[in-house]
Amino acid sequence: QQQVKQSPQSLIVQKGGISIINCAYENTAFDYFPWYQQFPGKGPALLIAIRPDVSEKKEGRFTISFNKSAKQFSLHIMDSQPGDSATYFCAASIVTGNQFYFGTGTSLTVIP
Amino acid sequence: DAGVTQSPTHLIKTRGQQVTLRCSPKSGHDTVSWYQQALGQGPQFIFQYYEEEERQRGNFPDRFSGHQFPNYSSELNVNALLLGDSALYLCASSPQGFSAFFGQGTRLTVV
Repeated sequence: QQQVKQSPQSLIVQKGGISIINCAYENTAFDYFPWYQQFPGKGPALLIAIRPDVSEKKEGRFTISFNKSAKQFSLHIMDSQPGDSATYFCAASIVTGNQFYFGTGTSLTVIP
Repeated sequence: DAGVTQSPTHLIKTRGQQVTLRCSPKSGHDTVSWYQQALGQGPQFIFQYYEEEERQRGNFPDRFSGHQFPNYSSELNVNALLLGDSALYLCASSPQGFSAFFGQGTRLTVV
């Protein structure tokens, strides 16, 4: 059973556009929600993370929106750049630093 | 700061063999987790080590075992390799209560 469901599977965005990736979860015990970026042949790199006590967190061009009642959270990449082309994973854990449950990933392509 | 380092980067093994993968955590991190990432999939949690003991374990068979040393480095051992064990094996380290940082992984191919 997939604990965290992620969509879309792939996404193509024009340079300068907004990329939006969505995730949903069922386990209300989750209390930490990070997003990771992964380039081919590399390990996932932490982008941004949020706790359920806030509805939004912004770091540079990356924003997480969190809807606790709907059990959904999303990543918004503003002013998308070709260098953002990568696979993005959402994840969830019960108590940060413990086991992460990952989504299935979204392959983002930003067209120049 | 070297970050999380894993060795080797690539490995080819024959079905039935045993393999040992190694991980050095980021400086100051005392918790090490191992994940298996099949091609095109998200990482799947194998187990986590803290204070040299296995603290959590995912849904993986006993063929997968590990160890953590006093310097916090860790090993992942897989016995009786199957073709389905071919994957990218990721090590993640974290200080207590904070997010995990991943190494670049070991690509294991079982033939």
